Amino acid sequence: AQSVTQLGSHVSVSEGALVLLRCNYSSSVPPYLFWYVQYPNQGLQLLLKYTSAATLVKGINGFEAEFKKSETSFHLTKPSAHMSDAAEYFCAVSLTASKLTFGTGTRLQVTL
Amino acid sequence: NAGVTQTPKFQVLKTGQSMTLQCAQDMNHEYMSWYRQDPGMGLRLIHYSVGAGITDQGEVPNGYNVSRSTTEDFPLRLLSAAPSQTSVYFCASSRGTQETQYFGPGTRLLVL
Repeated sequence: AQSVTQLGSHVSVSEGALVLLRCNYSSSVPPYLFWYVQYPNQGLQLLLKYTSAATLVKGINGFEAEFKKSETSFHLTKPSAHMSDAAEYFCAVSLTASKLTFGTGTRLQVTL
Repeated sequence: NAGVTQTPKFQVLKTGQSMTLQCAQDMNHEYMSWYRQDPGMGLRLIHYSVGAGITDQGEVPNGYNVSRSTTEDFPLRLLSAAPSQTSVYFCASSRGTQETQYFGPGTRLLVL
């Protein structure tokens, strides 16, 4: 069975600083990997997904993530944080792109 | 396209009451699923369907029933609500099991 660990339930960065949200996965075979964002009182929106085509995946709103098989990681980064990035971020893993297994989420706070 | 819609947005139930959470999509997606979101636990899969007439259990199916009589609709039924079912419920759909899931806005349920 696959699983996801998100390190840090809360991350705070200054506006303009680097955003780094960590995600490690466990899977017996190469998985699909996803990052979703949830703004307050809204549903989940897909940021990006890894499907084995390329290890560096670019998503919406300037986010990207790199799949590192040797480290079983799929960390999310953004070079310069914006106030509008404040939200909760979920990493998810799946063997079929459906039946997602989610991490517990990381709440990103952006300060002036 | 309205995408994935969920009703109601918010519901309060007493223990033992029954209710149905509605989910509909207008994208002709074959795959639909229900998740519940609880603080500190991320999202967990309740039930899913790979097409009309076909449903299966996810990670946390106890206390919930589903059916899929049409491609568009995938209702989630609580036969006898319990306080442990207080949660936010999300419906999702995708074209198939290999495709990205799109999430609805959620239903917030409080069981007293």
